[in-house]
This record gives sequence, C-alpha cells and structure tokens, in this order.
Amino acid sequence: TQLLEQSPQFLSIQEGENLTVYCNSSSVFSSLQWYRQEPGEGPVLLVTVVTGGEVKKLKRLTFQFGDARKDSSLHITAAQPGDTGLYLCAGVEETSGSRLTFGEGTQLTVNP
Amino acid sequence: SQTIHQWPATLVQPVGSPLSLECTVEGTSNPNLYWYRQAAGRGLQLLFYSVGIGQISSEVPQNLSASRPQDRQFILSSKKLLLSDSGFYLCAWNTVNTEAFFGQGTRLTVV
Repeated sequence: TQLLEQSPQFLSIQEGENLTVYCNSSSVFSSLQWYRQEPGEGPVLLVTVVTGGEVKKLKRLTFQFGDARKDSSLHITAAQPGDTGLYLCAGVEETSGSRLTFGEGTQLTVNP
Repeated sequence: SQTIHQWPATLVQPVGSPLSLECTVEGTSNPNLYWYRQAAGRGLQLLFYSVGIGQISSEVPQNLSASRPQDRQFILSSKKLLLSDSGFYLCAWNTVNTEAFFGQGTRLTVV
C-alpha cells in the first residue's frame, strides 16, 4: 500500500486547459512538497506546504494543503506545453522525523 | 552552498557482476540520505534511508545493499546484478527543515 496516493497517474490535455492533481493519504504530514521532474534528471522542488488549509500560488500553479494535513492538490491554470513533466508529491509523516516519502507521480502531457 | 554528487551517470553491467554507485554531499552536516529507484515515468521507490553513519533502513527486500561509511557519503551496492536491477537510481538528501535535493541520477542497464 502506497503511503501517498496520487491521481491521476497519467494526464494528457490540450494547451489552455485547466487541471488538478491530487495527493491523498490516511496519515498526517508535518509538511508536504510538490516536485517536478524532467526525463533523466532528478526532481526539483516546486513548493512546500506546512500548515493545514494553506494555499500557495506559483504563477499558474496553485497548491493546497488539506485542513487535516492528510492531502494536497496541485491546480494548473491554462496549461502550456512547457508544463509537461512528472509531478510528484512527497511528505514528511508526522511520526517519521524527517524521512521523506514520495507518491507514484502524475505524468502530465500538454499538447500544443 | 549545498551540493550533491552522484556517479556514474550511466552504467551498463552484465548479469552477475557487482555494482557500486556512490553519492556524496557537500555543505551540510548529518543529512538524511536516500537511495531511490525509478521506473520510466513513475514515482520514486525508496530503497534505503539513512539518518547517520552506519544507520541504514532497508525499505524493500532486494538484491541491493547500502552503506554510509562517512557522514556525507552513501553507497549503493550489489554483489551480483540481476536483469531486474536495471533502472534509474537517484540519491537524495534532506534535513528536518529542508526540501530533498537530488543527484543527477544513474541510468543502470543490466545486460
């Protein structure tokens, strides 16, 4: 059983469309992070959320941390081909110290 | 500044041969160190996690082992590689208050 469940696993959309990626768990997290990864490279951090209910915006990306700190979402507005990549959520479980666990990822393809 | 070095970038090894991938971190002390494996287009499978020298947690049963001989050095090894060991291996570090920083990865192909 995956600690962090990401959905959808694959997403193919047209340029200009909106999308939401979800990251869910039954565990409580002291913090949750979103990463983006290009093929052949390591993931790069997009954002960290630490407070239940927190919303952070990064240009066209909006990140939300659930009130109970068990889930998170990433919303992209007006997607562009440059947004194509693997999006990963990762969390530090409240009882795990600082150990970081990753979700399975969402492979996003934005077609021009 | 903090940096992480992982090598080699690519590796082609025959079945049954040994493996040694090395990762070193600079600019921080007592980091958590990780080895992940990743299938194409998929998430990161945690293989090993270390909170200190000689302290290794193995997350999945497998043909691999890890060692941390120094605070900022993490080594992934195998005595005899299997075809199923092929994949993209990533080393990473974090501390209690930081994001994870990743190496550039090693593409391992076992033939």
